[in-house]
Amino acid sequence: DAGVTQSPTHLIKTRGQQVTLRCSPISGHKSVSWYQQVLGQGPQFIFQYYEKEERGRGNFPDRFSARQFPNYSSELNVNALLLGDSALYLCASSPNSYEQYFGPGTRLTVT
Amino acid sequence: AQSVTQPDIHITVSEGASLELRCNYSYGATPYLFWYVQSPGQGLQLLLKYFSGDTLVQGIKGFEAEFKRSQSSFNLRKPSVHWSDAAEYFCAVDSSGTYKYIFGTGTRLKVLA
Repeated sequence: DAGVTQSPTHLIKTRGQQVTLRCSPISGHKSVSWYQQVLGQGPQFIFQYYEKEERGRGNFPDRFSARQFPNYSSELNVNALLLGDSALYLCASSPNSYEQYFGPGTRLTVT
Repeated sequence: AQSVTQPDIHITVSEGASLELRCNYSYGATPYLFWYVQSPGQGLQLLLKYFSGDTLVQGIKGFEAEFKRSQSSFNLRKPSVHWSDAAEYFCAVDSSGTYKYIFGTGTRLKVLA
């Protein structure tokens, strides 16, 4: 079975730009979560969506937004990029909210 | 505030030696507990999880972990380490009902041949 897929794998953006990251969950999983992992640290929770509804939000500014589509795929948008947004962005899907299966991540570099 | 502490940033062991990675959490009730492994440039792979019941849980790749309520700990163990176990290991807590994981800062494992 296919795991969680994320696109793109890498991208480079300039400060002030906007970026959209994409995630496709494991088939049958209705919940998607997003995490930010800065180099040398553990992942930090950004959002969780279940059945297209936002179920939880971490301590991130309003520049970060997300949505989930009817096919349960998800997008994470970040506006007005800052250098500090450079990180590995991880998407996780879950069959039940308690077990999360992570994708390979998108490496974002802001210059 | 809920938190997860992994006190060892780096650990080096020889291949074939035993391994224990420490994890302590701060939370009032018994949370759901997880260990993940991350190879360089990769996402996170679930090694094992604890929800309730038997406090010793078995995972993939020969890993096990023991939940100790009195010590608020969930330490990961492996009796004999293989060179392929070199990676970063993260302990995570899900305070049930909040739908978000809190991760520790990770322990980087180096294995000497």
